[in-house]
Amino acid sequence: GQQVMQIPQYQHVQEGEDFTTYCNSSTTLSNIQWYKQRPGGHPVFLIQLVKSGEVKKQKRLTFQFGEAKKNSSLHITATQTTDVGTYFCAGHDGGATNKLIFGTGTLLAVQP
Amino acid sequence: DAGVTQSPTHLIKTRGQHVTLRCSPISGHKSVSWYQQVLGQGPQFIFQYYEKEERGRGNFPDRFSARQFPNYSSELNVNALLLGDSALYLCASSLERLGGRRTFGSGTRLTVV
Repeated sequence: GQQVMQIPQYQHVQEGEDFTTYCNSSTTLSNIQWYKQRPGGHPVFLIQLVKSGEVKKQKRLTFQFGEAKKNSSLHITATQTTDVGTYFCAGHDGGATNKLIFGTGTLLAVQP
Repeated sequence: DAGVTQSPTHLIKTRGQHVTLRCSPISGHKSVSWYQQVLGQGPQFIFQYYEKEERGRGNFPDRFSARQFPNYSSELNVNALLLGDSALYLCASSLERLGGRRTFGSGTRLTVV
């Protein structure tokens, strides 16, 4: 079945450093979404990317969808303590079903 | 507007018992999805319902079932509970049948002892 892997599993940075998480799918995706889950919380939608090679920015966050629509990345510039949490990518395979398959997640810890 | 509401928030059950979890989507959302999240892992897709019909099913045993009501609320049922069913069960609603952002509820924390 479809698998979505993320690396790294865990990243510890000093406040102000940059952070990147990478997402790779075993199959081509129709779109990819990113979610953030704070410790003890639930996933919160960040963004959706649909087009091959698409790049979107939200303040310090930059999201990219690969040309082959099988990979994606999230880059955070100058991390802040409020960025702490687990970042998940989630992809639709474009089939008739509405399966949104979540990646394995990257836990970001930010030291003040 | 109210977000996605789930009940109960916490639940403790004994092995072999049955459990029913409930979810009310955002007003106007016709699609409800259920996910299981084990500690330290990503949410695993269980079911998706749209307009009261099952539209997607993940790799879960037949002990797991769900339904959606005319008001678009949903129930997830799990029979013959196992210790491994202990997890956070998340409900998410969305506008579209296919694709679209998911808005998650706060989840039901199920512990099977």
